[in-house]
Amino acid sequence: GQNIDQPTEMTATEGAIVQINCTYQTSGFNGLFWYQQHAGEAPTFLSYNVLDGLEEKGRFSSFLSRSKGYSYLLLKELQMKDSASYLCAVRLNTGFQKLVFGTGTRLLVSP
Amino acid sequence: AAGVIQSPRHLIKEKRETATLKCYPIPRHDTVYWYQQGPGQDPQFLISFYEKMQSDKGSIPDRFSAQQFSDYHSELNMSSLELGDSALYFCASSSRTGGVSEAFFGQGTRLTVV
Repeated sequence: GQNIDQPTEMTATEGAIVQINCTYQTSGFNGLFWYQQHAGEAPTFLSYNVLDGLEEKGRFSSFLSRSKGYSYLLLKELQMKDSASYLCAVRLNTGFQKLVFGTGTRLLVSP
Repeated sequence: AAGVIQSPRHLIKEKRETATLKCYPIPRHDTVYWYQQGPGQDPQFLISFYEKMQSDKGSIPDRFSAQQFSDYHSELNMSSLELGDSALYFCASSSRTGGVSEAFFGQGTRLTVV
């Protein structure tokens, strides 16, 4: 089976830095995606890692270690609008590469 | 830029009724995915299509079926609806060509079964 774990909830203050971790055990791996989802809305793509290392995109960075089955999403200079759920998703290399989502982390940014 | 379009946005049905959800993928995307997201839960993969052929199947009940048509739009048909089917249903599309091929999600259809 597929197992992707994230913390359920995190809180942080405006302007701070927060790291959201994701560990995975999947039957096959062909990339890891991070999505942001506001309540009742569609997930929106944030970042993608397929090789080990850090990918930086503005205030967001994502890190991957394939040998450890581990990734994190780093959010800098937090803003109130960053309050959302953050979903870690693994793309499998079996079949037609479906995305399997983690449990999601609800981030609450306070003033 | 064109996005994934889903219709309807909201749907209310009674138990044992039938519902049809529609998805129009981004032009030139060759893969469509359907996901179900219950309240407070992560999206659960239901089924996917690649080039109009079913490519993968997840936790989709036998009461549900889906297909992709020649114009690449997809429909999720849900019969004998149960209260537990109330959820957000997302359609996503991606292209297998190109580097990242992330999935782009539609706005979802909120199905309420009463």
